[in-house]
Amino acid sequence: DAKTTQPNSMESNEEEPVHLPCNHSTISGTDYIHWYRQLPSQGPEYVIHGLTSNVNNRMASLAIAEDRKSSTLILHRATLRDAAVYYCILRDSETSYDKVIFGPGTSLSVIP
Amino acid sequence: DAGVIQSPRHEVTEMGQEVTLRCKPISGHDYLFWYRQTMMRGLELLIYFNNNVPIDDSGMPEDRFSAKMPNASFSTLKIQPSEPRDSAVYFCASSLGRLNQPQHFGDGTRLSIL
Repeated sequence: DAKTTQPNSMESNEEEPVHLPCNHSTISGTDYIHWYRQLPSQGPEYVIHGLTSNVNNRMASLAIAEDRKSSTLILHRATLRDAAVYYCILRDSETSYDKVIFGPGTSLSVIP
Repeated sequence: DAGVIQSPRHEVTEMGQEVTLRCKPISGHDYLFWYRQTMMRGLELLIYFNNNVPIDDSGMPEDRFSAKMPNASFSTLKIQPSEPRDSAVYFCASSLGRLNQPQHFGDGTRLSIL
């Protein structure tokens, strides 16, 4: 399975944009890039996903490099509630069954 | 809409006792997943079901662990006998189909084995 690499931790000031990087140099053509986040004492929650084009939703934006070997999750204006562990995951759209493997993720701290 | 419901939220029991964790997936979802999360190993996939059938149980640590899904609205994860090293947070998740639909997680069961 293709793997992802993320920084262990990042810090951001409240109300500033945050760019969370993810490297996936062995990504295949059928892999989608998914992001989840886990708030303290909660289960992970879905944030966003994409294949080739940049994606936006109410929570965040996903910028995907042209060669697809890296991507960046963008939180446009960090709030204290965004402090969480962020997971970047690859999901193969052509496998028979839906198996998701979580790595260690990036722990984001937001400073008031 | 109700999300994934897990019970109990917390469980403290003595070593050697049987532990049963319960999960009610989101109605209509055809995939159900059991994960375990510890500080040392992070979030590990234990087993998952598709249409109530176990598909991959390669993450189940050993024979003391078993999981069932008797119907589309209920699943259990059982540990018998329990050991202190089983202490962790156990999450259940469900999803719809495989067209990159997101997984929806419950709030987890925090298990402590004394």
